[in-house]
Amino acid sequence: KAGVTQTPRYLIKTRGQQVTLSCSPISGHRSVSWYQQTPGQGLQFLFEYFSETQRNKGNFPGRFSGRQFSNSRSEMNVSTLELGDSALYLCASSTPGTSEAFFGQGTRLTVV
Amino acid sequence: DQQVKQNSPSLSVQEGRISILNCDYTNSMFDYFLWYKKYPAEGPTFLISISSIKDKNEDGRFTVFLNKSAKHLSLHIVPSQPGDSAVYFCAASAGYGGATNKLIFGTGTLLAVQP
Repeated sequence: KAGVTQTPRYLIKTRGQQVTLSCSPISGHRSVSWYQQTPGQGLQFLFEYFSETQRNKGNFPGRFSGRQFSNSRSEMNVSTLELGDSALYLCASSTPGTSEAFFGQGTRLTVV
Repeated sequence: DQQVKQNSPSLSVQEGRISILNCDYTNSMFDYFLWYKKYPAEGPTFLISISSIKDKNEDGRFTVFLNKSAKHLSLHIVPSQPGDSAVYFCAASAGYGGATNKLIFGTGTLLAVQP
């Protein structure tokens, strides 16, 4: 069974630009969550999607958004990038009926 | 407000000995707890979990203990191996049964297993 796949693995963007990250969950998983990892703040929850609906949202500005498609694949978008958005962005999908989340390799975003 | 805390930033143990990683939480609504292992620049790898209706769960060399009254959980690794060296994160959820998959993570403990 394939794991969670995130693309791209690495990304360099300029301040003010926008970026879209993609996540394909494990087959059969309908819940997808996104997390941001930075050295100073650790792993922080961004948002969660279930059956194309946002079910939970973390404490991030509106520049961070996401969506989920009918095949459970998810994208997150960050607009008007700031230097502080440089981080490892992680996507996780969860076994139905549990909170066991399985993570992808992450996308390393660098904003210059 | 840090709802999940790992007060030991690092831990060093000898190969073959027991590693004990600790985690405290403050939110009584948490009903499911998980441990993850993480290498730099990679996603966390799920290790073991426990629901709040249990006080112990074992999987091979890994055992998680939950003390609800103390709001404390621990991960025991026996015997420790050099390949266990990594950062270990404790995570908590208020969605046992699938109501939500939002996880709140601790700050992590760097485990170093010395050969």
